[in-house]
Amino acid sequence: AQTVTQSQPEMSVQEAETVTLSCTYDTSESDYYLFWYKQPPSRQMILVIRQEAYKQQNATENRFSVNFQKAAKSFSLKISDSQLGDAAMYFCAYKTSENTGFQKLVFGTGTRLLVSP
Amino acid sequence: DAGVTQSPTHLIKTRGQQVTLRCSPKSGHDTVSWYQQALGQGPQFIFQYYEEEERQRGNFPDRFSGHQFPNYSSELNVNALLLGDSALYLCASSFEQEAFFGQGTRLTVV
Repeated sequence: AQTVTQSQPEMSVQEAETVTLSCTYDTSESDYYLFWYKQPPSRQMILVIRQEAYKQQNATENRFSVNFQKAAKSFSLKISDSQLGDAAMYFCAYKTSENTGFQKLVFGTGTRLLVSP
Repeated sequence: DAGVTQSPTHLIKTRGQQVTLRCSPKSGHDTVSWYQQALGQGPQFIFQYYEEEERQRGNFPDRFSGHQFPNYSSELNVNALLLGDSALYLCASSFEQEAFFGQGTRLTVV
């Protein structure tokens, strides 16, 4: 079974600074998807960024980028120019690419990001 | 587009009772998944519905059951509620390789 580990329960960053959230996973599959989701106090999970394992290039979405190390099974999220609105819980998630349709997401335990002025 | 909507937003039930949670998927999405998120934890997959049938199921007892209707909306039913069932229940609808989540239903069992 696949597992996702987030070893940082909480991280702090100042506005305009850069922060990196860590995520490791375990799988025997060669093709899969990895995601970072943001969960603000409103509770709704919001997709931040997605990485397909067969793609060598690291995904980037505006201020958010990932460092995907497939051999090390590591998938970290870098937030540049942090903003107060970035404060939230961040979850790393794994999804197999096997079979058709959308398969279940396996989540880590989350990292709470605090952003100070 | 209203996105994924869940009802109710909050619910308080007594041990032993039964509860039904509802989810309307994002327009055009035919797959609905349910997750349980205990306080301070990541979401745990309960089950997924596609074409009105349960396609996948996580490690949850039979007290957890569901249904999907022809319009793709879905219900999650939990029987014989336990205190440990207190959690945020998230619904996600998906199309191709992207899932969209609702704001969840906060269930408190007393």
